[in-house]
Amino acid sequence: EAQVTQNPRYLITVTGKKLTVTCSQNMNHEYMSWYRQDPGLGLRQIYYSMNVEVTDKGDVPEGYKVSRKEKRNFPLILESPSPNQTSLYFCASSLSDRGPYEQYFGPGTRLTVT
Amino acid sequence: GDSVTQMEGPVTLSEEAFLTINCTYTATGYPSLFWYVQYPGEGLQLLLKATKADDKGSNKGFEATYRKETTSFHLEKGSVQVSDSAVYFCALSGGAGNNRKLIWGLGTSLGVNP
Repeated sequence: EAQVTQNPRYLITVTGKKLTVTCSQNMNHEYMSWYRQDPGLGLRQIYYSMNVEVTDKGDVPEGYKVSRKEKRNFPLILESPSPNQTSLYFCASSLSDRGPYEQYFGPGTRLTVT
Repeated sequence: GDSVTQMEGPVTLSEEAFLTINCTYTATGYPSLFWYVQYPGEGLQLLLKATKADDKGSNKGFEATYRKETTSFHLEKGSVQVSDSAVYFCALSGGAGNNRKLIWGLGTSLGVNP
């Protein structure tokens, strides 16, 4: 089954404790992206990647890191989480960054930073 | 810059009522337009799309027509069901055919009562 998986689905952590949210897709997609969803602010892009070893900042990259060492994986790293990073996070992938290709979303990771 | 404006919710309807969720956009060039749906506790999934003016996207009884003259892409369904309760997002991707960034509306929550 074609899908985007994220882990963990739920995470409660404390300020400053490094964490990684994993994202993996099995569709051989070139393009992957991370979003955060907050009430009243909609979806905001954090980082995206057009292919292996090619990443770029989205609208709200501060406090986040990403890497794309393999085509299927695109982990999101919070080196020193803060309470303002409490949010619902989505990973998405699509065939390419050219053309109106559908983006496939993971189920989301709900992060709480205390 | 490009932007998407959709009607604020929440929208509450009775089963079998007619649904319209308004979406207007501002964009240069010739963007593609999308409606995504987010069911409770899940990630977003593509509902329908249109890639050029006067195109009509349709899926699961939902329809939307790409109106360049009014810069609109309103979502309609003739008879909603309880299972349609979800959050609906209008989005566009770059007019140059660059899917690198999806521009999102803030979402409209729909509740359908039996």
